[in-house]
Amino acid sequence: KQEVTQIPAALSVPEGENLVLNCSFTDSAIYNLQWFRQDPGKGLTSLLLIQSSQREQTSGRLNASLDKSSGRSTLYIAASQPGDSATYLCAVHGYSGAGSYQLTFGKGTKLSVIP
Amino acid sequence: DTAVSQTPKYLVTQMGNDKSIKCEQNLGHDTMYWYKQDSKKFLKIMFSYNNKELIINETVPNRFSPKSPDKAHLNLHINSLELGDSAVYFCASSRTPDAGYTFGSGTRLTVV
Repeated sequence: KQEVTQIPAALSVPEGENLVLNCSFTDSAIYNLQWFRQDPGKGLTSLLLIQSSQREQTSGRLNASLDKSSGRSTLYIAASQPGDSATYLCAVHGYSGAGSYQLTFGKGTKLSVIP
Repeated sequence: DTAVSQTPKYLVTQMGNDKSIKCEQNLGHDTMYWYKQDSKKFLKIMFSYNNKELIINETVPNRFSPKSPDKAHLNLHINSLELGDSAVYFCASSRTPDAGYTFGSGTRLTVV
């Protein structure tokens, strides 16, 4: 059974810093990995989707890497801003048997960027 | 032009009642899902439907019954609501079962 771990659980940084969020997963047989952002009381916003054949994806100040063989992904946020404050969720997509696929989530990293 | 929309956004109801949450996606996706986010903010899959057919039912009590009248809709009906059902329920969709997901904004269910 796939398990996804995110470290750290919470992170507080001053504005302007670069930071890295970590995600690890136990089963490397995945189709893709998706990073989401969740603001308090809100839904999930997809940030980046990395297919299993890819090593990284970039969108603006965000860069996500994937090392499938070691079961690791990182989300790099450059020049952090107060508006980046949110919970960041890592989710891996794998086959769960009987023709079904499943997105398994980590518990998230709560990021606070201090002005 | 919302991609995945859920109604209602908030739902407060008494124990024992029956309620439904509706979900619609206008992305033309074939697969739809229901996820539950508990009080500790952990998201876990409940159901997955592909082209109106159930393909995942993750040990959810049979008081929960998903209904997919067509590919664009996946509603969640809950019978005999219990206090422990209080959570945020998210609907999602993907183009294919192994593609990226798009989530709705969630329905916060409170059972009193």
